[in-house]
Amino acid sequence: DAGITQSPRHKVTETGTPVTLRCHQTENHRYMYWYRQDPGHGLRLIHYSYGVKDTDKGEVSDGYSVSRSKTEDFLLTLESATSSQTSVYFCAISETRGSNYGYTFGSGTRLTVV
Amino acid sequence: DQQVKQNSPSLSVQEGRISILNCDYTNSMFDYFLWYKKYPAEGPTFLISISSIKDKNEDGRFTVFLNKSAKHLSLHIVPSQPGDSAVYFCAATRTNFGNEKLTFGTGTRLTIIP
Repeated sequence: DAGITQSPRHKVTETGTPVTLRCHQTENHRYMYWYRQDPGHGLRLIHYSYGVKDTDKGEVSDGYSVSRSKTEDFLLTLESATSSQTSVYFCAISETRGSNYGYTFGSGTRLTVV
Repeated sequence: DQQVKQNSPSLSVQEGRISILNCDYTNSMFDYFLWYKKYPAEGPTFLISISSIKDKNEDGRFTVFLNKSAKHLSLHIVPSQPGDSAVYFCAATRTNFGNEKLTFGTGTRLTIIP
């Protein structure tokens, strides 16, 4: 088990306020990812990180920023939340198990912007 | 542009029968494919994967078939059990030395009827 913890699990916030979601992992994985899940869209990549202070944009990065000051923590910030950012957010790490590789996901953060 | 497509939003199958979930992709650079299973209020969990050098991979009740010429893969579950009721996501990536950014389909909700 990769030991991925997301916090908070649920959050309701008002339009225009900043919000930060946290992803914490305990096994020193190098690559970390933030996805959002929306009906009809599946999971879409927001940002990813390939090391401390090394991050890059995914396909739906507008309105989001990330930071990774420590290997174990990957933060996702909505600078000024909008209703279109109401979604379920998942953090993931990339890992190899035997001859297979893939992601292990956290339990998600359900964010509602009102 | 949806590079990974799951055209059936939902599927209902009788317990004990075979469930077949389908997925199509458009990007010919994809060389690794995965299936994830997701229960409500949980993160997606890895189910099975297949490399483009193979056309079949089996793990217990789960088998994934890959048809590269048709850019199509399918997941077979035999026999289907009530615990298999979940949303299934197909994902694809191009191998990149650990930093594999997965592209997901929109998901298929599988319901197993007792």
